[in-house]
Amino acid sequence: NAGVTQTPKFRVLKTGQSMTLLCAQDMNHEYMYWYRQDPGMGLRLIHYSVGEGTTAKGEVPDGYNVSRLKKQNFLLGLESAAPSQTSVYFCASSIRGSYNEQFFGPGTRLTVL
Amino acid sequence: DQQVKQNSPSLSVQEGRISILNCDYTNSMFDYFLWYKKYPAEGPTFLISISSIKDKNEDGRFTVFLNKSAKHLSLHIVPSQPGDSAVYFCAVQITGTASKLTFGTGTRLQVTL
Repeated sequence: NAGVTQTPKFRVLKTGQSMTLLCAQDMNHEYMYWYRQDPGMGLRLIHYSVGEGTTAKGEVPDGYNVSRLKKQNFLLGLESAAPSQTSVYFCASSIRGSYNEQFFGPGTRLTVL
Repeated sequence: DQQVKQNSPSLSVQEGRISILNCDYTNSMFDYFLWYKKYPAEGPTFLISISSIKDKNEDGRFTVFLNKSAKHLSLHIVPSQPGDSAVYFCAVQITGTASKLTFGTGTRLQVTL
């Protein structure tokens, strides 16, 4: 099993450009999440999904959109990138229910110039 | 408003000694508590967890302690090994909220020879 994979690993954008980050998991998990990690701030939840076709906002959703068309994939979109979105983005997944840990992907390092 | 705090940004411990990492939270609704370990350029990996009905959970060299009245948890690593050098995040969860995690800011542990 590959677990949680993220594409791409690195990306540099100019302000105003758009891009999509892809997350895929092969563990048949119901729940999926997108976080960002900034220096000194830990990981913060951007958006999450509890199943195919459903998404919800997390702690810092502004400037991002998401889609979950297939159970195994969770896409994070930036429509008009800003320097404040320079960060490391992590995708995670977990099984349905309570008292469950999340499994994380390796991250995507995004720089917006 | 930081709901989860790790007040020590870094910790240095000699190999073979005990490492103690601390975490404080503010919301008494949190009922599941996790520790994640993160190496550079990798995603966080789950280490150990504890539910609010317990005050201690042990897994090999790792033990997590929960003091609900003080809203405090700690991770003990005994004995510490050089491979334990990483950033450690505590994370908290409320049952029934799609397993969403709120993370602390992390503590960088360095285990020296």
